[in-house]
Amino acid sequence: SQQGEEDPQALSIQEGENATMNCSYKTSINNLQWYRQNSGRGLVHLILIRSNEREKHSGRLRVTLDTSKKSSSLLITASRAADTASYFCATDGTARQLTFGSGTQLTVLP
Amino acid sequence: DAGVIQSPRHEVTEMGQEVTLRCKPISGHNSLFWYRQTMMRGLELLIYFNNNVPIDDSGMPEDRFSAKMPNASFSTLKIQPSEPRDSAVYFCASSPGDRPVPQHFGDGTRLSIL
Repeated sequence: SQQGEEDPQALSIQEGENATMNCSYKTSINNLQWYRQNSGRGLVHLILIRSNEREKHSGRLRVTLDTSKKSSSLLITASRAADTASYFCATDGTARQLTFGSGTQLTVLP
Repeated sequence: DAGVIQSPRHEVTEMGQEVTLRCKPISGHNSLFWYRQTMMRGLELLIYFNNNVPIDDSGMPEDRFSAKMPNASFSTLKIQPSEPRDSAVYFCASSPGDRPVPQHFGDGTRLSIL
């Protein structure tokens, strides 16, 4: 079963604009991760935020986590055409398992 | 550094045939995961190994699926006999032993069962 659900399912923006994707989950977590998947490729880890953190930055990426609402958001600032990809949130379960959401397909138009 | 290597990248075969997917994890990683990705069900964890031992295979859909990890540098996922509904992209991922950690994915095997 999928723990995380991303919103929106698809997002189309112009180059230079900011893109925000949201993730909701159902159970308590130790950490939440965001991954990117380019067409025809495997998932690539972007950023990890621990349950005791509220915000984290990495380059043009900003992730927030609200454990009281069981939600997270991924903000990509100043988007580029190369950011076009699917973005997934993933929450940890027992041991080292991750449960992935259904993903947001981001299209950045040049 | 070499990433996770999967082979073949594409496989097309007729139903009833045996299919073997292969994975070489990143050297030094002691956890290995097999996932299946479809449009309908998204990314599903099939099985994961820690130190070559299967820890949780509850995601394996049927007895037709089996996975082995004979050593730290190699794993296989086998489907026998294959069915059209097995058509999907199968990913292998690995991670080092400590939590919390990101997983490193291969580029997948796109499997089509005719």
